[in-house]
Amino acid sequence: AQSVAQPEDQVNVAEGNPLTVKCTYSVSGNPYLFWYVQYPNRGLQFLLKYITGDNLVKGSYGFEAEFNKSQTSFHLKKPSALVSDSALYFCAVRDRGGSARQLTFGSGTQLTVLP
Amino acid sequence: EPEVTQTPSHQVTQMGQEVILRCVPISNHLYFYWYRQILGQKVEFLVSFYNNEISEKSEIFDDQFSVERPDGSNFTLKIRSTKLEDSAMYFCASNPADTQYFGPGTRLTVL
Repeated sequence: AQSVAQPEDQVNVAEGNPLTVKCTYSVSGNPYLFWYVQYPNRGLQFLLKYITGDNLVKGSYGFEAEFNKSQTSFHLKKPSALVSDSALYFCAVRDRGGSARQLTFGSGTQLTVLP
Repeated sequence: EPEVTQTPSHQVTQMGQEVILRCVPISNHLYFYWYRQILGQKVEFLVSFYNNEISEKSEIFDDQFSVERPDGSNFTLKIRSTKLEDSAMYFCASNPADTQYFGPGTRLTVL
């Protein structure tokens, strides 16, 4: 079984400061890892993914995430937060070796960037 | 840029009624999915569909639910007899390989 934990329901950060949204995962094999963002009354927008290769992946809107296999983590980061980054962020995982392709999502982290 | 589209954006129905939620996946994608998100909760997988058949389904996807690809573009989710607890946001997704792209969702309200 696969699972994702997002330990923080809410993250507040001042505009211009770096932000981190935490994610840890559990899969039986090797993971595919994803971050999605959800704005109010909107669908899930893909931000970035880790499939293989470099542990640091870069995505849309200046976001990046670092895959850490030993800590089974995939934290989302941005060097300088914008007010417009305020949204609900979901981490998701899929077992790379499994035949099933569905994603398992974390519970989400509400990011609020304060002006 | 191609997008997954869903209709309607909001559906209100009475308990016990049938509803059909519609999705148009991105045209060259081969895998299709339905997920739901009950208000304030996490996004949950319902069913995946490939090569005109269900490939995986969750325990949520019971006999009340069915999916269909009636033509070359649409992908539908039918709930035969809606219950109050079916009230949720329903998301369709599709992917060609690794990354799933989601539609804007249909908010289903069961009264």
